[in-house]
Amino acid sequence: GAVVSQHPSWVICKSGTSVKIECRSLDFQATTMFWYRQFPKQSLMLMATSNEGSKATYEQGVEKDKFLINHASLTLSTLTVTSAHPEDSSFYICSARKRGNNEKLFFGSGTQLSVL
Amino acid sequence: EDQVTQSPEALRLQEGESSSLNCSYTVSGLRGLFWYRQDPGKGPEFLFTLYSAGEEKEKERLKATLTKKESFLHITAPKPEDSATYLCAVQAGGSGIIFGKGTRLHILP
Repeated sequence: GAVVSQHPSWVICKSGTSVKIECRSLDFQATTMFWYRQFPKQSLMLMATSNEGSKATYEQGVEKDKFLINHASLTLSTLTVTSAHPEDSSFYICSARKRGNNEKLFFGSGTQLSVL
Repeated sequence: EDQVTQSPEALRLQEGESSSLNCSYTVSGLRGLFWYRQDPGKGPEFLFTLYSAGEEKEKERLKATLTKKESFLHITAPKPEDSATYLCAVQAGGSGIIFGKGTRLHILP
């Protein structure tokens, strides 16, 4: 089966620092990766869509300078939360769309970010 | 505006008590409807994709059905290990995937 690895699982950081989250497709090529955030008992909210080799497309209301997304290869996308603040504390999840499969998404296990 | 609404928000069942979860959607040009299972602190796990009204898919104790306005996830004789949040998501023409808020299912032994 297709596996998406997300790292780290949890991170605690001080306000003002930057945090990088990695999302890797381990056994397939991911032409498109998606980044979501999820608040407790809420739905997944799409933040941005990234295609390999091109700039990410951000959803309305998501600050592109704050949430930097890089999709440098077909197996790796990174989300960097810059100058994190307590309100950025959330559960961040990535998903990957397999090359040739336009429907099924494979999800990472998520990253719990806590900003002090 | 495209919308996905799941009901109920939470459901408690006794082990063996069958029930259904609902996902109502309002989108233009449905390309696919997805069901996922999410355990606490983890990412969603894919269950089913449905493409057209009348389609049904089954996996163990779960069965998903689709009409032009809604989808049902039927759970037959559930076990405690079926406890999780079940997410419905819809992909509409030209847009990304929209998730519902989920139904938190708790199966009591």
